[in-house]
Amino acid sequence: DIVLTQSPVLAVSLGQRATISCRASQSVSISSINLMHWYQQKPGQQPKLLIYRASNLASGIPARFSGSGSGTDFTLTIDPVQADDIAAYYCQQSRESPLTFGSGTKLEIK
Amino acid sequence: QVQLKESGPGLVQPSRTLSLTCTVSGFSLTSYGVSWVRQPPGKGLEWIAAIWSGGSTDYNSALKSRLSISRDTSKSQVLLKMNSLQTEDTAMYFCARSSLPGSPFDYWGQGVMVTVSS
Repeated sequence: DIVLTQSPVLAVSLGQRATISCRASQSVSISSINLMHWYQQKPGQQPKLLIYRASNLASGIPARFSGSGSGTDFTLTIDPVQADDIAAYYCQQSRESPLTFGSGTKLEIK
Repeated sequence: QVQLKESGPGLVQPSRTLSLTCTVSGFSLTSYGVSWVRQPPGKGLEWIAAIWSGGSTDYNSALKSRLSISRDTSKSQVLLKMNSLQTEDTAMYFCARSSLPGSPFDYWGQGVMVTVSS
């Protein structure tokens, strides 16, 4: 199975940049297509797709969210961070079965 | 608009079988795949199984021996059965849509909480 590793908590100040990382135990890319996706989950809600295939903004998501990376190392950036962004963020690979998620990063305000 | 809604029993006894239903609207099960994903209280997300637009299925190997996923296209429903339930199976169960293997989950249901307890 592909293991995705995320830091558990990230604390940032409002208006600053948040950088959330996700490292895969093996490459999740196929022919330059990066099969890594990012979700936001607020307490008591279902996950919401933010970024697909590493760097593509999902429909209706504000442009202050962005994604980058390839191979095994990926980053979700939120700039600037707003109070509404307090949530858990999960990466997910669809390179191979079983589909796996990272353990999640909780974004907190300093 | 696209909607997914999970339903099932809130409480299941240990060793029994869980049956969950995902009823979808706004899209066809013959055009999109549907997966089940679960989340134990306070923990992360775990993919369980998928059924794709052509009817093929895929299972998390760690759970495969206990799972069955199927669909009824006439009712726009995806069904999940999990047997030999244990307390560790207590979780919120979500269904989610994806277009193809390799695609992200672009729409999610609100989830149904399942508690395994005697």
